[in-house]
Amino acid sequence: GAGVSQSPRYKVAKRGQDVALRCDPISGHVSLFWYQQALGQGPEFLTYFQNEAQLDKSGLPSDRFFAERPEGSVSTLKIQRTQQEDSAVYLCASRPGWGGRYNEQFFGPGTRLTVL
Amino acid sequence: QQQVKQSPQSLIVQKGGIPIINCAYENTAFDYFPWYQQFPGKGPALLIAIRPDVSEKKEGRFTISFNKSAKQFSLHIMDSQPGDSATYFCAASRTSGSRLTFGEGTQLTVNP
Repeated sequence: GAGVSQSPRYKVAKRGQDVALRCDPISGHVSLFWYQQALGQGPEFLTYFQNEAQLDKSGLPSDRFFAERPEGSVSTLKIQRTQQEDSAVYLCASRPGWGGRYNEQFFGPGTRLTVL
Repeated sequence: QQQVKQSPQSLIVQKGGIPIINCAYENTAFDYFPWYQQFPGKGPALLIAIRPDVSEKKEGRFTISFNKSAKQFSLHIMDSQPGDSATYFCAASRTSGSRLTFGEGTQLTVNP
């Protein structure tokens, strides 16, 4: 079946613009994660959903970042009033469940955001 | 706050060599330790993972060695090939937790 897909793959925004990044997880996957990957760094956790519930948003760097997953499938990460330091690759990952062999997170290709 | 430290930052080996990448963690609550491989323009993909109740795990040419007392684990790639050239990340999480904490990454180059 299809893997995790993300759109757009590339986004260029002017400083101060709002952006919305979309993630389509693997069908049936309960858990969904967003990570931010700066150039040359490992991914850093942003937020986590279990179905439609946002259980952990402690990694969101500021109140300009907002994520939602209203029907427990597709998720959107929104960044308001973008700043240059927001430039990064935003990765989405989904997981079938939790615990045991269901720990594996499947990553999408990411959206590369460049803020000018 | 870096809870997983990875070294080296970059590594160059010849085809057939055995690159070794090391990671150290701080949080003793971590009990799931995966390694991810990432090619340019792609998302990370799981290679192999280990739990702290075993000291070694092998899958194909990839081996994880785990030292619980030292809070360290490493990835060995046997008979490395040019196609293994990629960035490798170690990570850690709690089984009951939600997030992966990644190391800084190691850029591996395998020369023909």
